[in-house]
Formats: sequence, C-alpha cells, structure tokens
Amino acid sequence: DAKTTQPTSMDCAEGRAANLPCNHSTISGNEYVYWYRQIHSQGPQYIIHGLKNNETNEMASLIITEDRKSSTLILPHATLRDTAVYYCIVRVPYSSASKIIFGSGTRLSIRP
Amino acid sequence: GAVVSQHPSRVICKSGTSVKIECRSLDFQATTMFWYRQFPKQSLMLMATSNEGSKATYEQGVEKDKFLINHASLTLSTLTVTSAHPEDSSFYICSPRTLQYNEQFFGPGTRLTVL
Repeated sequence: DAKTTQPTSMDCAEGRAANLPCNHSTISGNEYVYWYRQIHSQGPQYIIHGLKNNETNEMASLIITEDRKSSTLILPHATLRDTAVYYCIVRVPYSSASKIIFGSGTRLSIRP
Repeated sequence: GAVVSQHPSRVICKSGTSVKIECRSLDFQATTMFWYRQFPKQSLMLMATSNEGSKATYEQGVEKDKFLINHASLTLSTLTVTSAHPEDSSFYICSPRTLQYNEQFFGPGTRLTVL
C-alpha cells in the first residue's frame, strides 16, 4: 500500500471548516483514499473514502486532486467533538491481501 | 450494522499473569481478524492477521508465543497476552474484516495495564 504524508498537528476554530491535507504521490491506480479518525481512548472510526471523484457524506467531504497525488478532508462545521487524530490511508479495499497500516496522522484540535 | 465489541474494555493485572481479550463481530461474519496495539501518543501498530480456522501471521518484531491469537469462529477472536510485563501495557484494538461488506471495521479497544 502507498505511503501518505500528513501534517503532525492542526487547529481550527469551532464552527469553521477544518481542512486536513494528505499527500499520497505514489498512489496506484486501483488504490482508494480512506480517512479514519481516532478520538482519545477509542477505536478508529471510518469517515469517508474515494477513488478519484470528490465524495461527501454526513460527516465530511473528500476532495481528491485530478492527478490523485493528494487529497483534502473537509469537516464543514467543526465542533469540539471533532478533536481527534485523523488518518489518511491509501489501500485497495476489495483485496484479501489488503490491510490497513496507519501512519502518524494529524492531531486536530478544535478551539472554542 | 458492523458492530464490533471488545471485552474487557480495560484490565489491570500483575506482572507474570496472562490476560485474554475477546473481540466479537455482533452482526457480521469476520473472515479475517487484525490485531493492533497502540502505545501512548503513538499510532496504531499492526500486530498480527488471522483467518478463521487458520494460524495467525505475525508482523516482524511481534512474538507469536507471547501474543496468542485464536480465531476459531467467524464471530469471535481472542488475543491472549501471556506472562504479561509492564512493557506490554498498551491499548489493544481488534479489527475484523468481512467479505460481506468488503470492509474492515474496528473494535472500541482494550486498555491493558500491567503492574
């Protein structure tokens, strides 16, 4: 699975949009971009994933660049409960050989 | 759907004892189970992968005789930390994968503290 690079930490004001970047310049054609988050002392929580088109769900939006070498996770109206470590992962989801390997992630702090 | 439970949620034990952690997929069948551990302020590290009815495959640096994994059914997997020592204190997270949903899910984690 391709490696990703994320900023170590970010902060955002409550109510504003949080934009979390991720670089994945070695992504392969069949790899998807996945985002998870981990709130303190809990298991990881799935947020969103995409292949090449932008995606949106009730939690977030995912913007993938046309060359697929980077992406941005957008939390449109951040709340204090969004304080967590956010992990960007690229993987082939339907492969029996695929397993999720976590990088360092971005520690997002939402300030009141 | 895709509910995963772990038991216990936290456990404190004395050095030298063994601790068993259970992971259950409550509403789906887990053909593959991944076990991760996480030390404070670090990311999750994959420990091992097991397929139902088969022996687990361990990542480099993980002692298979110390971390015993049993995946006897499609809804239950266990991780036993044998002869635990303080350096085994960590947050252990199971992650079942199902072909039904073609996805990998995560349990809530078990906090192990070895005194």
